[in-house]
Amino acid sequence: QVQLQQSGPGLVKPSGTLSLNCTVSGASIISNNWWSWVRQTPGKGLEWIGEVYHRGTTNYNPSLRGRATVSVDTSKSQFSLNLASVTAADTAVYYCARDRAGGTSSDFDHWGQGILVSVSS
Amino acid sequence: QPVLTQPPSASGTPGQRVTVSCSGGGSNLGVNNVNWYQQLPGTAPKLLIYGDNKRPSGVPDRFSGSKSGTSASLAVSGLLPEDEADYYCAAWDDSLNSVLFGGGTKLTVL
Repeated sequence: QVQLQQSGPGLVKPSGTLSLNCTVSGASIISNNWWSWVRQTPGKGLEWIGEVYHRGTTNYNPSLRGRATVSVDTSKSQFSLNLASVTAADTAVYYCARDRAGGTSSDFDHWGQGILVSVSS
Repeated sequence: QPVLTQPPSASGTPGQRVTVSCSGGGSNLGVNNVNWYQQLPGTAPKLLIYGDNKRPSGVPDRFSGSKSGTSASLAVSGLLPEDEADYYCAAWDDSLNSVLFGGGTKLTVL
């Protein structure tokens, strides 16, 4: 079955860059799906960060003001998130997810396990 | 700024029918599909309803979705204790070129 396995550090220093990976198994990352990152601040709701298609096309949440970069490495069946210039407000559980319906939808049928990333010195 | 608005809480007793609303606008719910997610404590969200009113395999038919114009609803009938969770609506927004999530509704089974 489709599995998304997340990896990356749980602690990042203020002004640093948060970097996370999501490895896809049970399905090809080279497909009509898009691959997204979503975060959830403690006790709060969900916020979409951005998405990537296997050819490298991306879309981002404009509220992140250009700090997010989502990329894909098809040879590793992996996609990644870099979030620059982090502050305490970026402390959240970060999820990767598959959007099965395409780049202009919100149909996330498979999710990673989530990683809590804390921003602290 | 486009947003999806949900009530922060809803409740019902076992066996009852409860609805959760999601209000949006012409650039999101008015032109794109709404999807609903269930999130149990400490777990990742789970797709509950997609394409306005379709259920993924394995989701009980007690859960149903509907949409009219710029408003959508999730209905849970025959409420069970295990339905106690947070529920989120989501849709693509054409003006932001971005996915929007509603603020979430905490459903309590009394």
